[in-house]
Amino acid sequence: GAGVSQSPRYKVAKRGQDVALRCDPISGHVSLFWYQQALGQGPEFLTYFQNEAQLDKSGLPSDRFFAERPEGSVSTLKIQRTQQEDSAVYLCASSLGGVGEKLFFGSGTQLSVL
Amino acid sequence: TQLLEQSPQFLSIQEGENLTVYCNSSSVFSSLQWYRQEPGEGPVLLVTVVTGGEVKKLKRLTFQFGDARKDSSLHITAAQPGDTGLYLCAERDNNDMRFGAGTRLTVKP
Repeated sequence: GAGVSQSPRYKVAKRGQDVALRCDPISGHVSLFWYQQALGQGPEFLTYFQNEAQLDKSGLPSDRFFAERPEGSVSTLKIQRTQQEDSAVYLCASSLGGVGEKLFFGSGTQLSVL
Repeated sequence: TQLLEQSPQFLSIQEGENLTVYCNSSSVFSSLQWYRQEPGEGPVLLVTVVTGGEVKKLKRLTFQFGDARKDSSLHITAAQPGDTGLYLCAERDNNDMRFGAGTRLTVKP
């Protein structure tokens, strides 16, 4: 596709439910990042992939958060047993090369946990 | 881990006015990126500055990188309603780009 695509656009979950958020990066982009953006804040780093390798997951807030990119293209961010504090916009970004290059962001998935 | 501080947090001005927003750090930036984020969308890169003292212009936007590479500013001349959005600065920190909290700009017609 022409840009980074994220789905779903909106997700409402009941507390305790598991959710899966999908990111389709720009074709050929090596690096993929997940960010969490709370209302009124800047994006906070969650995790980074270079191809299929997850090189940094230091930003994942708890072991309920899990991300994968098994074939080095599409990535999924999974949140288990969602809690209200997980409510945020989850942004995916990709770049052609490594860290520090231009990031192309998707429009995000807005997650609301009730 | 350095902390990126952006100011002001909010700015509301009339169309045609000039404005400046700031991004500061407790330590030296290796490089700095400025992004603009519109409601419901992801951030979009505006510019990357690398060299201390560097000035880059993008139409009505002027970006400056401090000589000591610890601060940066974004100046907008004759602001238009289309400039409304969240302006974010970001700096590489190991394996990620670390963002400030942003300046939320509203330009009223």
